[in-house]
Amino acid sequence: DTGVSQDPRHKITKRGQNVTFRCDPISEHNRLYWYRQTLGQGPEFLTYFQNEAQLEKSRLLSDRFSAERPKGSFSTLEIQRTEQGDSAMYLCASSLKYRGTSLKETQYFGPGTRLLVL
Amino acid sequence: AQKITQTQPGMFVQEKEAVTLDCTYDTSDQSYGLFWYKQPSSGEMIFLIYQGSYDEQNATEGRYSLNFQKARKSANLVISASQLGDSAMYFCAMREAISSGSARQLTFGSGTQLTVLP
Repeated sequence: DTGVSQDPRHKITKRGQNVTFRCDPISEHNRLYWYRQTLGQGPEFLTYFQNEAQLEKSRLLSDRFSAERPKGSFSTLEIQRTEQGDSAMYLCASSLKYRGTSLKETQYFGPGTRLLVL
Repeated sequence: AQKITQTQPGMFVQEKEAVTLDCTYDTSDQSYGLFWYKQPSSGEMIFLIYQGSYDEQNATEGRYSLNFQKARKSANLVISASQLGDSAMYFCAMREAISSGSARQLTFGSGTQLTVLP
């Protein structure tokens, strides 16, 4: 299977604990995105990498959140001192940079990690 | 203001009939891209169709077509010959041009839950 994969698929944690999620993009894709989706809403952008460089971060990404993509391949998203408001689906997507306009660059999503903070 | 508005929280359609899912958007950019994604209950976002703001023809992909009305800022998804497997959440999304500083990520609407009835 050459799609985007995410691990774990589900995570239950207690408030105050740290959690880390992993995303493996499609192998030739050089761009990787993290989104958060709460119940009944569409995904909201968190952050974006081109290769190993984190180029953009949303103001939704508080100081408790950190994302890395150390070798330009897989990425991790860590949430420190989790809060109940962090309960959501965390989606990862990847895309291939176009030479020309990037408007039609299609993002392919993984199955998501569903986080529940008790 | 909402950038993407999907006014239909839920829609029902009889199997084999066509259905239109509404999407209106708000942007001051002349260059932008519009996407539709399908999200089954499993959670993965599946790319369906893309329309560029300068595309003269309405996009089509198999049973999916996009009714793009630029002056009205609408990009409705039409699904022909509905199948039971089409039951899912459908999200409209937009990518704006670099000039607005948000060239990479997608902005999603709140989605429409489509149920196909046998």
